[in-house]
Amino acid sequence: NAGVMQNPRHLVRRRGQEARLRCSPMKGHSHVYWYRQLPEEGLKFMVYLQKENIIDESGMPKERFSAEFPKEGPSILRIQQVVRGDSAAYFCASSPPSQGGNTEAFFGQGTRLTVV
Amino acid sequence: GESVGLHLPTLSVQEGDNSIINCAYSNSASDYFIWYKQESGKGPQFIIDIRSNMDKRQGQRVTVLLNKTVKHLSLQIAATQPGDSAVYFCAEAGGTSYGKLTFGQGTILTVHP
Repeated sequence: NAGVMQNPRHLVRRRGQEARLRCSPMKGHSHVYWYRQLPEEGLKFMVYLQKENIIDESGMPKERFSAEFPKEGPSILRIQQVVRGDSAAYFCASSPPSQGGNTEAFFGQGTRLTVV
Repeated sequence: GESVGLHLPTLSVQEGDNSIINCAYSNSASDYFIWYKQESGKGPQFIIDIRSNMDKRQGQRVTVLLNKTVKHLSLQIAATQPGDSAVYFCAEAGGTSYGKLTFGQGTILTVHP
């Protein structure tokens, strides 16, 4: 029973390049959440998606960041024109559908983005 | 892994001792609380959860206590082992999605053999 799979585990980008982070939820899970963790901090919520829908993007920066969860394939967090301040660990979590959406989320191992 | 050591609270214990990690949460409307363990270079790992209609819940070697009056959460680890060394985060959630979590600051637990 595979858990939440994120790739790549490590990603190095030069300033101005694009970063694409992928998340495959656990089997049967249709809810995906993205979090960012800066050094010495806890995880901060970015966005909550269901298949083909963004449910809550209140934690997403207004520019350069976007997320999608297509009908087929993994969820993608895309960061355009990366800057050094984007360097962080990005975690994805998934949860199954349930009545009211109240159910535990499971985390992946994260993608560590380094902008040089 | 992440550099999380410089400003987080720390707790050092001897192997076999009991550990207590505390957390203050901010949102009175939160009704679901979770403790996560995060080892260096890894994602958060679920330890135990509690809903707001309870004040205590026990798992294997772990107990979570919830005091809604003062918005305080604690994690007790019995007979702490070196493998318990990690950063521990509390998280709170509410509303219709328990996947949208607000994480606390984190506490570094170091267990000495």
